[in-house]
Amino acid sequence: GAGVSQSPSNKVTEKGKDVELRCDPISGHTALYWYRQSLGQGLEFLIYFQGNSAPDKSGLPSDRFSAERTGGSVSTLTIQRTQQEDSAVYLCASSFELDYEQYFGPGTRLTVT
Amino acid sequence: AQSVSQHNHHVILSEAASLELGCNYSYGGTVNLFWYVQYPGQHLQLLLKYFSGDPLVKGIKGFEAEFIKSKFSFNLRKPSVQWSDTAEYFCAVKLRRTSNTGKLIFGQGTTLQVKP
Repeated sequence: GAGVSQSPSNKVTEKGKDVELRCDPISGHTALYWYRQSLGQGLEFLIYFQGNSAPDKSGLPSDRFSAERTGGSVSTLTIQRTQQEDSAVYLCASSFELDYEQYFGPGTRLTVT
Repeated sequence: AQSVSQHNHHVILSEAASLELGCNYSYGGTVNLFWYVQYPGQHLQLLLKYFSGDPLVKGIKGFEAEFIKSKFSFNLRKPSVQWSDTAEYFCAVKLRRTSNTGKLIFGQGTTLQVKP
């Protein structure tokens, strides 16, 4: 079956521009997660969704970051006014329910120039 | 703050050697434990998991891990590695508590290089 998919796979943007990253979870998975993987910080948790709701946004690095999920499926992570320190691989994962194991997508490599 | 520590950053082994990668976490409560693997150019894949029950868990490709609660450890083992096991390995912990966020806390990763 299809796994978690993410688009785009690579994104190069200029500092100050806004970017949108998309995640399609495994069909039937109710929980969805965003992580960031960077050389200096390793794998960091950003936010999770249970259905369309994101109860805890405290993992987001700054108020330039936001995320939404619609229809209990696709999620978008938006970064406004990108900075060079936002350069990283953004990973999405999904799980059947919140307490189940998480399956990861291939990631979006974001480079801010 | 809760953390996960992987003892080795870079391990080099010859084929057929035995492997043990260390993982320790700092949290006194109930946890779920995972090992993920990232092969070159591929995405993170679940290798094995521990939720409850038998502390010795078996995963894919001949890997196993043992949860030792008293040592807060979840070490990954494989009796005989192959060149195809060359990858980066991540230990991850999920805290089981009332404010469940589903958040995985990852170790910094161990790069395994297997020489043919």
